[in-house]
Amino acid sequence: GAGVSQSPSNKVTEKGKDVELRCDPISGHTALYWYRQSLGQGLEFLIYFQGNSAPDKSGLPSDRFSAERTGGSVSTLTIQRTQQEDSAVYLCASSGRLNTEAFFGQGTRLTVV
Amino acid sequence: AQSVTQLDSQVPVFEEAPVELRCNYSSSVSVYLFWYVQYPNQGLQLLLKYLSGSTLVESINGFEAEFNKSQTSFHLRKPSVHISDTAEYFCAVIREGGKLIFGQGTELSVKP
Repeated sequence: GAGVSQSPSNKVTEKGKDVELRCDPISGHTALYWYRQSLGQGLEFLIYFQGNSAPDKSGLPSDRFSAERTGGSVSTLTIQRTQQEDSAVYLCASSGRLNTEAFFGQGTRLTVV
Repeated sequence: AQSVTQLDSQVPVFEEAPVELRCNYSSSVSVYLFWYVQYPNQGLQLLLKYLSGSTLVESINGFEAEFNKSQTSFHLRKPSVHISDTAEYFCAVIREGGKLIFGQGTELSVKP
């Protein structure tokens, strides 16, 4: 595709349920990021994949959060047992090997009720 | 570890006035520097970037930023703002082989 695609664009879930957010990066991009954007909180780094290297998971807020990247392309961010504080916009970005520009998707707005 | 500090969370300014959005970073190694913009109800898009070479970089809509290594700063400036510049602006840094880290963002509000 021409850009980074995220799905769903909006997700409303009940507290305690699991959710999966999907990211399709730009074809050929080796780096993939997940960020969380909460009102007034800026962009919080969650996880970073680069090629075949072990992912940098240092930003994941708890063990309820996990992410995988299959075949070096599509990525899924999973949040287990969702809590109200997980409500935010989750952004995915991808970039080429040299990391000179990251391209962002439109985000998934997650609301936990 | 690298970090980014945007010194102003909100900057209100009148149309046609100059503006400066401040950004400082910390890193012990060479970095790439970026400014991203997020217009209301839109996604993030790259405004300008410094990779190497000239320390003054410009965007197509009149913004410029200057990399100052001694002060570890990358402030964003525009000599005359428009209503359409109202947006949130994020400074970001990456070191080679590392991850992209963002500042907290600065909300620029341009008033008529």
